[in-house]
Amino acid sequence: AQKITQTQPGMFVQEKEAVTLDCTYDTSDPSYGLFWYKQPSSGEMIFLIYQGSYDQQNATEGRYSLNFQKARKSANLVISASQLGDSAMYFCAMRDNTDKLIFGTGTRLQVFP
Amino acid sequence: EAGVAQSPRYKIIEKRQSVAFWCNPISGHATLYWYQQILGQGPKLLIQFQNNGVVDDSQLPKDRFSAERLKGVDSTLKIQPAKLEDSAVYLCASSFQTGNTIYFGEGSWLTVV
Repeated sequence: AQKITQTQPGMFVQEKEAVTLDCTYDTSDPSYGLFWYKQPSSGEMIFLIYQGSYDQQNATEGRYSLNFQKARKSANLVISASQLGDSAMYFCAMRDNTDKLIFGTGTRLQVFP
Repeated sequence: EAGVAQSPRYKIIEKRQSVAFWCNPISGHATLYWYQQILGQGPKLLIQFQNNGVVDDSQLPKDRFSAERLKGVDSTLKIQPAKLEDSAVYLCASSFQTGNTIYFGEGSWLTVV
């Protein structure tokens, strides 16, 4: 069965520093997609970045990059130059070949001055 | 383009009462999802529609939850009768087609007292 694991309940980072949020996944399907979402206290789930299982290069979107290591089944999110507004919950999610999107338990990121 | 719209934003009801949530996906998006997110947890898929057909409702508590997507556009999620453990954020999401990004609405916060 598909599974997403986020082992860091909480992370702290100083403003302007980089931070890595961990995500590992388990699936037997060769075709899948990996997502990262940000959820501020308002509750909205904001799409950050996407990596397809067949993508050769790691995805990047502005200050966000995804460190995709297929053999290790990991898809870590790297946020560079952290800002106070980055403080939120971050969810890793996987989409399988039936379009079902399953989520991890999330990591709460706190950025301090 | 307009995002996924949800209403009401907040709802407080007593146990055993009923409640309905409405979702309008992004125009042209064929796939629509309803998720339940209990405080401190990751979202859990309740039901997935492809146009007006149900793809997956395996985790929908069918004795009290129902959902429909008439005409393959808007969707309604109903809970009747509500229980205390139904207190959660109900997130609606949509995507254009397989492999595309999934976008979420702001969520509907339900408190059952």
